[in-house]
Amino acid sequence: DGGITQSPKYLFRKEGQNVTLSCEQNLNHDAMYWYRQDPGQGLRLIYYSQIVNDFQKGDIAEGYSVSREKKESFPLTVTSAQKNPTAFYLCASSPRVDRDFPPLHFGNGTRLTVT
Amino acid sequence: AQSVTQPDIHITVSEGASLELRCNYSYGATPYLFWYVQSPGQGLQLLLKYFSGDTLVQGIKGFEAEFKRSQSSFNLRKPSVHWSDAAEYFCAVAPGLILTGGGNKLTFGTGTQLKVEL
Repeated sequence: DGGITQSPKYLFRKEGQNVTLSCEQNLNHDAMYWYRQDPGQGLRLIYYSQIVNDFQKGDIAEGYSVSREKKESFPLTVTSAQKNPTAFYLCASSPRVDRDFPPLHFGNGTRLTVT
Repeated sequence: AQSVTQPDIHITVSEGASLELRCNYSYGATPYLFWYVQSPGQGLQLLLKYFSGDTLVQGIKGFEAEFKRSQSSFNLRKPSVHWSDAAEYFCAVAPGLILTGGGNKLTFGTGTQLKVEL
């Protein structure tokens, strides 16, 4: 079955360490997205990519970095510059935004705890 | 830029009762509108989508939503709630006029947590 795989489900890190969250999709989607979810704040867009080797900052990109070297993969690095990294991170994908805006397909998320 | 408001943070209904979750958006033209559902610790699942055509949209799991342009609303409804509907529900809006240069983003509301009493 096609889908989006995020790993690991739970991740623990010490403050000051960079950490990379994995996101892989086999839906053959061009676009991929990273959202951060905090209680009472909904989902906020961190980065998105419409095509390989290209990505754009979302609303809260500071302290994060991404790469898109392959269509199937869109890893997110949470750097030590991110002041409040503890959150639930969701990866999503969709067909390319062209004439209309397609629905997003989501992974099951990674819960990151930084102490 | 578009925005979306879900005024109810928590809603509790009895099983078998009807449900309406409110969503209001701000956008200069008709946007793309979505409702997603999230079970605890999981990703989001699409319930339904609207852009044009019939203003009453049918989705999965017996949900429907009605687009009302005059009220800038896209409320989600279900005639009879089941205990398995307990989850968090998110309304989302995307620009109806796709920008060829990019920058087309989906904006989510803050969510409504639904509790179902047996």
